[in-house]
Amino acid sequence: GAGVSQSPSNKVTEKGKDVELRCDPISGHTALYWYRQSLGQGLEFLIYFQGNSAPDKSGLPSDRFSAERTGGSVSTLTIQRTQQEDSAVYLCASSYRTGGNIQYFGAGTRLSVL
Amino acid sequence: AQSVAQPEDQVNVAEGNPLTVKCTYSVSGNPYLFWYVQYPNRGLQFLLKYITGDNLVKGSYGFEAEFNKSQTSFHLKKPSALVSDSALYFCAVRDDQAGTALIFGKGTTLSVSS
Repeated sequence: GAGVSQSPSNKVTEKGKDVELRCDPISGHTALYWYRQSLGQGLEFLIYFQGNSAPDKSGLPSDRFSAERTGGSVSTLTIQRTQQEDSAVYLCASSYRTGGNIQYFGAGTRLSVL
Repeated sequence: AQSVAQPEDQVNVAEGNPLTVKCTYSVSGNPYLFWYVQYPNRGLQFLLKYITGDNLVKGSYGFEAEFNKSQTSFHLKKPSALVSDSALYFCAVRDDQAGTALIFGKGTTLSVSS
């Protein structure tokens, strides 16, 4: 597609359940990022993938959060045993490598944990 | 450590008047600076960036920003605001010496009245 695609757009889940969020980056972009946007908190970096290198997981808030990127393209962010504080909009972005390259964002997945 | 500050949660201007959205940053090395805009229920859209070169950067929709190294600022400006400019604006920085992801400010809501 022409842009970064995320699915689902909305996800409502019960506390304690696991959820998977998907990101399909722009074709040819080697760098992929996950961010979390909470109300009034701006954007918080979660994890970064660059090509075949080991991902930068320094932003993951707990070991309940994990992500993978298969074949250097699609990425899945998994949250295990969801908590109410996990409720947020999860944004994915991709770019040509990193540095000063522009990151292009998807529309996000709004996660609500009841 | 890298950081970005947007000191105003909200900026209100009348249509046709000039607007400024403030941003200051802190990095160890040289900054890569970005402005993004977010409309309701949408992802972030890139407006402009500063990597090197001229301190005045021109971007999309008539916006521009001035890089001021001595004041560590990168304020977003537009000579004549439109009602359609009303949105949430984010400043972001990446340190060319450290880190892989963008560090975002908490955002400034711009409201343009007719």
